[in-house]
Amino acid sequence: QSALTQPASVSGSPGQSITISCTGTSSDVGTYNLVSWYQQYPGKTPKLMIYEGSKRPSGVSNRFSGSKSGNTASLTISGLQAEDEADYYCCSYAGSSTFYVFGTGTKVTVL
Amino acid sequence: VQLVQSGAEVKEPGDSLKISCKTSGYSFASYWIGWVRQMPGKGLEWMGIVYPGDSDTKYSPSFQGQVTISADRSISTAYLQWSSLKASDTAIYYCARGWGAFDIWGQGTMVTVSS
Repeated sequence: QSALTQPASVSGSPGQSITISCTGTSSDVGTYNLVSWYQQYPGKTPKLMIYEGSKRPSGVSNRFSGSKSGNTASLTISGLQAEDEADYYCCSYAGSSTFYVFGTGTKVTVL
Repeated sequence: VQLVQSGAEVKEPGDSLKISCKTSGYSFASYWIGWVRQMPGKGLEWMGIVYPGDSDTKYSPSFQGQVTISADRSISTAYLQWSSLKASDTAIYYCARGWGAFDIWGQGTMVTVSS
């Protein structure tokens, strides 16, 4: 099972919106509504930002939103802030043989 | 809710190792606990998961046979173990709670395997 494909880097200016894509297959993202997104600062523990494709855990800013179309899930960060500069990973359930697969990760840079 | 992992380890190739993830603040038996590897400068990789309620365990095909995941309900602790480490096992290992999404993470355990 290969990792889900994410762009290596995405950048934007403060206040702008950016979108990170997460491309899988019909065996994972395309079939299951169990896509989650994680934010990780350098040297720190990952933090859950989105679950079940579009739901935000309590305490996560509403500037973060998730969606899915076909085999591709997306994370959008609106009103980009300096504190959003981090690595972001998607993760999808992939059935009862593989179970879970993470994305390749995207480094977000705030210009 | 907390997941507190055991400390950093430095081992030699061929050594065995068992690292731990002690949980508190919730019903340990009722939530899956998974393990995630992050090699130096690399991304996250899902390794496997255990349900402490009945010890049901599932592995990524990439890690099946390479590691053993277990849980001890009496002390609310999950484990990840190796019988024979390799240099390529050098990484940070995280435990994380959940099924479908991982909402609480341990602080990570750095494992260094070097001769």
